[in-house]
Amino acid sequence: DTGVSQDPRHKITKRGQNVTFRCDPISEHNRLYWYRQTLGQGPEFLTYFQNEAQLEKSRLLSDRFSAERPKGSFSTLEIQRTEQGDSAMYLCASSLVGVSEQFFGPGTRLTVL
Amino acid sequence: ELKVEQNPLFLSMQEGKNYTIYCNYSTTSDRLYWYRQDPGKSLESLFVLLSNGAVKQEGRLMASLDTKARLSTLHITAAVHDLSATYFCAEGGSNYKLTFGKGTLLTVNP
Repeated sequence: DTGVSQDPRHKITKRGQNVTFRCDPISEHNRLYWYRQTLGQGPEFLTYFQNEAQLEKSRLLSDRFSAERPKGSFSTLEIQRTEQGDSAMYLCASSLVGVSEQFFGPGTRLTVL
Repeated sequence: ELKVEQNPLFLSMQEGKNYTIYCNYSTTSDRLYWYRQDPGKSLESLFVLLSNGAVKQEGRLMASLDTKARLSTLHITAAVHDLSATYFCAEGGSNYKLTFGKGTLLTVNP
């Protein structure tokens, strides 16, 4: 399968714990996006990479959130000291520079108890 | 602040009927996207509309874009049960990041 992949697909954690998610974009896609979707809402933009550079972060991304894309390929999103309000589906998408269409991965569903 | 408003948010249709979902957006963007999401699944790209007057069709779905009115429509023709899903429109902003509407939950009844 050459689509966007995300790992894990589901994560249950206790409040205060740290979690890390991984996204592998479509090969050759140099743009990578993270979105968050809560129940009954559309996805909301969190952050964006072009190659290894993080070019934009949403105000939604508090200091507890950090994202990296160290070699311009896969990306990780870490949430420190999780809170119940962090419970959501975290979606990753990728695209090529100059091409509008973004392809989404299956998402990581986070539940914070 | 970018805003994308969809209506209706809930739509219950009978098979065979036609209907239109409306998407209003707040800026002068000329990039508008439609996605489909099945329960518990990720988003599937349906249409990418890149200019005023753009019209795209795939099967029973047709999408159009009017950048002057800041309006996109998704028209459903002769609905079938398999079209039941949540449909999102999204506006393409700077760096191509997407601003999504709240989605339209479509249920097609036999």
